Amino acid sequence: DAGVIQSPRHEVTEMGQEVTLRCKPISGHDYLFWYRQTMMRGLELLIYFNNNVPIDDSGMPEDRFSAKMPNASFSTLKIQPSEPRDSAVYFCASNPGGPNYGYTFGSGTRLTVV
Amino acid sequence: QKEVEQNSGPLSVPEGAIASLNCTYSDRGSQSFFWYRQYSGKSPELIMFIYSNGDKEDGRFTAQLNKASQYVSLLIRDSQPSDSATYLCAVPHNDYKLSFGAGTTVTVRA
Repeated sequence: DAGVIQSPRHEVTEMGQEVTLRCKPISGHDYLFWYRQTMMRGLELLIYFNNNVPIDDSGMPEDRFSAKMPNASFSTLKIQPSEPRDSAVYFCASNPGGPNYGYTFGSGTRLTVV
Repeated sequence: QKEVEQNSGPLSVPEGAIASLNCTYSDRGSQSFFWYRQYSGKSPELIMFIYSNGDKEDGRFTAQLNKASQYVSLLIRDSQPSDSATYLCAVPHNDYKLSFGAGTTVTVRA
């Protein structure tokens, strides 16, 4: 299994631009999670899906952030418009049966907004 | 109160020594507990999980759980330079969300 696949690995964009991050979970994993990691705040859960349905988006910082999961093998996290304070590493993770099984993380996308 | 708290680092230990990492959690109903290792610039990697009170050993790693005290720890025996990383404690919160501690950075001195 190739694991959780994220793209791009690095993204540098100008303030105000739209940014789209992509994730392919492990096949057969019903749960998908988007996390953001910064030095100041650590790992924060943004949103998670179960069977492609968003379950909890209370961690999404504001309306500029949106996430979709159109099918079991693909999810996107979009920021529009982007701001410098959105600079962070964004991780996607998946697991087969909820939090008690632990997560497998993708390699992350390092986003820099200038 | 934070959902998951870890002892502040960084923690520096000599090669061959035992590194001891501690974590407390707020949700008394939590049933499973995880330790992740994160190398600089990499993603977190699951190294240990524990469900029952007591000790669980896996190679040089031992996880210890005390649900009454809401305390979980990780011991790294015979520490190696390759163990130098940030260790994250993670606990499910409200059944669905895996909450992470801030992490403890361990440096093993050769």
